[in-house]
Amino acid sequence: AQSVTQLGSHVSVSEGALVLLRCNYSSSVPPYLFWYVQYPNQGLQLLLKYTSAATLVKGINGFEAEFKKSETSFHLTKPSAHMSDAAEYFCAVIVAGGGADGLTFGKGTHLIIQP
Amino acid sequence: EAGVTQSPTHLIKTRGQQATLRCSPISGHTSVYWYQQALGLGLQFLLWYDEGEERNRGNFPPRFSGRQFPNYSSELNVNALELEDSALYLCASSLGSQTYNEQFFGPGTRLTVL
Repeated sequence: AQSVTQLGSHVSVSEGALVLLRCNYSSSVPPYLFWYVQYPNQGLQLLLKYTSAATLVKGINGFEAEFKKSETSFHLTKPSAHMSDAAEYFCAVIVAGGGADGLTFGKGTHLIIQP
Repeated sequence: EAGVTQSPTHLIKTRGQQATLRCSPISGHTSVYWYQQALGLGLQFLLWYDEGEERNRGNFPPRFSGRQFPNYSSELNVNALELEDSALYLCASSLGSQTYNEQFFGPGTRLTVL
């Protein structure tokens, strides 16, 4: 079975600073990895996904993530934080052929942007 | 193109009652997933329907059930409600059942059990 660990339930950065949200996964087979964002009282919106093509994945709103198999990581970054980035971020994994289990999510990281 | 829609937005029930939640997928999507987002427990996979059939369920008791209709919309039923069923229930749809297909999420139904 696969699992996801997100380090830090809360991350606080200043506006304009680098955003780094950490995600490590555990999977016995090659995974597909996703980052979703959730704004208050809303559903999830896909930021980006890794599906075994390029290891550096660019997403919406200036976010990107790099798949590192040796580190079993898929950290999310953004060079310069905006106030509008304040939200809950979820890393998720699903294994090839494992659609039956749905997405397995991390616990989420609440991103706080300081003015 | 309309996204995934869910109804109702909010639902308040008392313990022991039944709740019915509805989901309409994006046009052309045949797979529907249900997730529970409970405080402190995170997002957990509940059920997966594809082409009208229940394909798999997560680690939830049988009182959580549902179905998918011929138009691919779906219904989640929760019987004998318990206080811990209070959560945001999210529905997602995808184009077919391939693993790499992106799941598009609806806004959710917030169920409160008193």
